[in-house]
Amino acid sequence: QKEVEQDPGPLSVPEGAIVSLNCTYSNSAFQYFMWYRQYSRKGPELLMYTYSSGNKEDGRFTAQVDKSSKYISLFIRDSQPSDSATYLCAMWPYSSASKIIFGSGTRLSIRP
Amino acid sequence: DGGITQSPKYLFRKEGQNVTLSCEQNLNHDAMYWYRQDPGQGLRLIYYSQIVNDFQKGDIAEGYSVSREKKESFPLTVTSAQKNPTAFYLCASSPGTSTSYEQYFGPGTRLTVT
Repeated sequence: QKEVEQDPGPLSVPEGAIVSLNCTYSNSAFQYFMWYRQYSRKGPELLMYTYSSGNKEDGRFTAQVDKSSKYISLFIRDSQPSDSATYLCAMWPYSSASKIIFGSGTRLSIRP
Repeated sequence: DGGITQSPKYLFRKEGQNVTLSCEQNLNHDAMYWYRQDPGQGLRLIYYSQIVNDFQKGDIAEGYSVSREKKESFPLTVTSAQKNPTAFYLCASSPGTSTSYEQYFGPGTRLTVT
């Protein structure tokens, strides 16, 4: 079993829809939960991170962490064609000796 | 304009040749990382460096080598011992390893070995 599981998609939704992207994990030591966006043939860019449980909002993006269920989500409101990309979740146990574990990414397409 | 640069964007090599991928950052970050990305897989850590003149192996270090002689630079050499070198290589940096959650990535180098 992988430490981090992410549905690869592709996910296709119409412009303006609310998008929900999810990851599950097995390692209860994870403390930081990140979402990266990667456009085709580009490097990933950090969208947002959350420490421990709870919600975090940044504009149209909301990240949620449920540590009891080992489940994290990224919601995108009022989705735009420019949101079309691959979204990678990532997790880190907050130890300088440990590495970030990335999900395999979900391909998202927003139809105009 | 701060950031991470990787060159070249595309690289083609014949099997049996070593090749070096460049990574430079002007963010004044202490930590730097090299990842490999294959289709349908997450990023896999090759090597990382917490400080100048120090680096550690990641999950898939076999067939790769690195150096960290300057804070700004962390080149990766893909040697002929790497069995399947064709991939998308990403370099990243973070302020330090205590802030590993905040990694900034370069644009990547796509290496094709035939």
